[in-house]
Amino acid sequence: IAGITQAPTSQILAAGRRMTLRCTQDMRHNAMYWYRQDLGLGLRLIHYSNTAGTTGKGEVPDGYSVSRANTDDFPLTLASAVPSQTSVYFCASSTLAGVSTDTQYFGPGTRLTVL
Amino acid sequence: DAKTTQPPSMDCAEGRAANLPCNHSTISGNEYVYWYRQIHSQGPQYIIHGLKNNETNEMASLIITEDRKSSTLILPHATLRDTAVYYCIVRLDGSDMRFGAGTRLTVKP
Repeated sequence: IAGITQAPTSQILAAGRRMTLRCTQDMRHNAMYWYRQDLGLGLRLIHYSNTAGTTGKGEVPDGYSVSRANTDDFPLTLASAVPSQTSVYFCASSTLAGVSTDTQYFGPGTRLTVL
Repeated sequence: DAKTTQPPSMDCAEGRAANLPCNHSTISGNEYVYWYRQIHSQGPQYIIHGLKNNETNEMASLIITEDRKSSTLILPHATLRDTAVYYCIVRLDGSDMRFGAGTRLTVKP
């Protein structure tokens, strides 16, 4: 069982370009999440999905979009990348959303640099 | 939202117990305390969580005070591989999990 995989591992991107970060989980978890991590700021939630077909905004959603066509995949798209989106991006999943005891499991991350 | 306060850094000798404190004085009655850690450049790793009782698993023990305003994560026999940033999180209702700056634990030989 792979758990959560993310691709690419790292990417350098020119400002203004479109980029999709991929996230796939094989645990049949209902909920999935995208976080960004910046030095000194911890992890911040970008978007989440409680179940296939639904998405919601997190703490820092501007400039990002997500889709959840099926249970396993949760891609994050930057329509027109800007340098402030340089960050490490982590995808996570959990069995049930909206439950205090639900544990989130994280992928290995994607390091994105926007020039 | 209950906010957590952790020391920015701690050191621990290899083989000794590492005790990582966390203050969460505004925690509400139905919020759980979660602990994660992040080893350099890797994704956060779940360690343990609890509500009011002390909890133990193969990785660590979690001690929550009776008033639930603080907790301590205990790594009983720290190894060099336990060097990481440790996050104490109080889980909000819904899908939000807020990570702060955490405690950088350095285990020294």
